Amino acid sequence: AQSVTQLGSHVSVSEGALVLLRCNYSSSVPPYLFWYVQYPNQGLQLLLKYTTGATLVKGINGFEAEFKKSETSFHLTKPSAHMSDAAEYFCAVSPSGGYNKLIFGAGTRLAVHP
Amino acid sequence: NAGVMQNPRHLVRRRGQEARLRCSPMKGHSHVYWYRQLPEEGLKFMVYLQKENIIDESGMPKERFSAEFPKEGPSILRIQQVVRGDSAAYFCASSDRGQGLAGTPYEQYFGPGTRLTVT
Repeated sequence: AQSVTQLGSHVSVSEGALVLLRCNYSSSVPPYLFWYVQYPNQGLQLLLKYTTGATLVKGINGFEAEFKKSETSFHLTKPSAHMSDAAEYFCAVSPSGGYNKLIFGAGTRLAVHP
Repeated sequence: NAGVMQNPRHLVRRRGQEARLRCSPMKGHSHVYWYRQLPEEGLKFMVYLQKENIIDESGMPKERFSAEFPKEGPSILRIQQVVRGDSAAYFCASSDRGQGLAGTPYEQYFGPGTRLTVT
């Protein structure tokens, strides 16, 4: 069975600092991987996704993630945090060869302080 | 181009009542997914529907929960005889296709959610 683990339910960074949100997955088949962002009282918005090809994926708002098969990881990074990045971030996995059933991690709440 | 719409945004029900949640997918989308988010947890898949068909309901509780996506109108998630443990945010997502070549997934677009509170 596939699962997603996000290390750290809360992460706090200073404005301008590096953002690193960790995601590890377990899957018996090559998965598709996603990062979503959720702002308060809103639905989820796709930040980026990995399906095949280049393992470094660039997304919206300056975020990027790297798929590392050997480490079963898909960590999300941004070089310089902005106040508007404060939100909850979810990593998700979808089994390959199937439809879009998404399995989510528990989420990481990112706080950005001045 | 309107996104995925859900209503109501907030719903309060007493124990034993029925809750009916509606989801209108994006225009042109015929695939709908329902997820539940319990407090302090991630989203959990409940059910996947196409027009008039339930494709996968493996995440639905066996009792009291049902879902439909009729030929005309929104998708409905119905919870009968609600209990306190049903209090959660329920999100609907839609896509225009189920999967592409080699099973590559299509993006799911999420609605703002319905927050159900059972008193």
